[in-house]
Amino acid sequence: GAVVSQHPSWVICKSGTSVKIECRSLDFQATTMFWYRQFPKQSLMLMATSNEGSKATYEQGVEKDKFLINHASLTLSTLTVTSAHPEDSSFYICSARVTSIYEQYFGPGTRLTVT
Amino acid sequence: DAKTTQPPSMDCAEGRAANLPCNHSTISGNEYVYWYRQIHSQGPQYIIHGLKNNETNEMASLIITEDRKSSTLILPHATLRDTAVYYCIVNAGNNRKLIWGLGTSLAVNP
Repeated sequence: GAVVSQHPSWVICKSGTSVKIECRSLDFQATTMFWYRQFPKQSLMLMATSNEGSKATYEQGVEKDKFLINHASLTLSTLTVTSAHPEDSSFYICSARVTSIYEQYFGPGTRLTVT
Repeated sequence: DAKTTQPPSMDCAEGRAANLPCNHSTISGNEYVYWYRQIHSQGPQYIIHGLKNNETNEMASLIITEDRKSSTLILPHATLRDTAVYYCIVNAGNNRKLIWGLGTSLAVNP
């Protein structure tokens, strides 16, 4: 149980275009989902926290107009990287949490490369 | 959230126990100790968590010192598939944000 999927697993896009990443909890309902970014040889950096049906809370330094997060249902959250630039190239990871459970369950990650 | 300190890297022979230490001397009374691991180019995987009692599950054991200022994650019989970066995180159960350090890179050698 507690499986989180992400789609796509990797994507290459041109600078200036937008990319949408989906995060789904497959066998449970996630009241909270998190989006992380990880650069090579670095740790995970939390970008934003989203609760179903409400606006995401962004971490300091993360542009909310550039990284659009939608958490429309208890099983789906999306991250859209708008007007992507090469510096946005990174490994994006989502996780999901049920209120009554302390641990987070992570997706396999999405490798974004902006050329 | 309290800060944790872990050695940057460790080696372990396949089949032997891997003991990964973590210092969290500023831990508060309501903060749990969590362990996650991340295999290269994958999302992190939850391993175990505890408050003050030792915990064991199918993956590992967690030993927390009586003063709660440090803990040890034990993989009883390490395999090559256990090669990963292991993260020790201290977090209050109702605080949804996990603060990630650099973890310990564990290499299990044949």
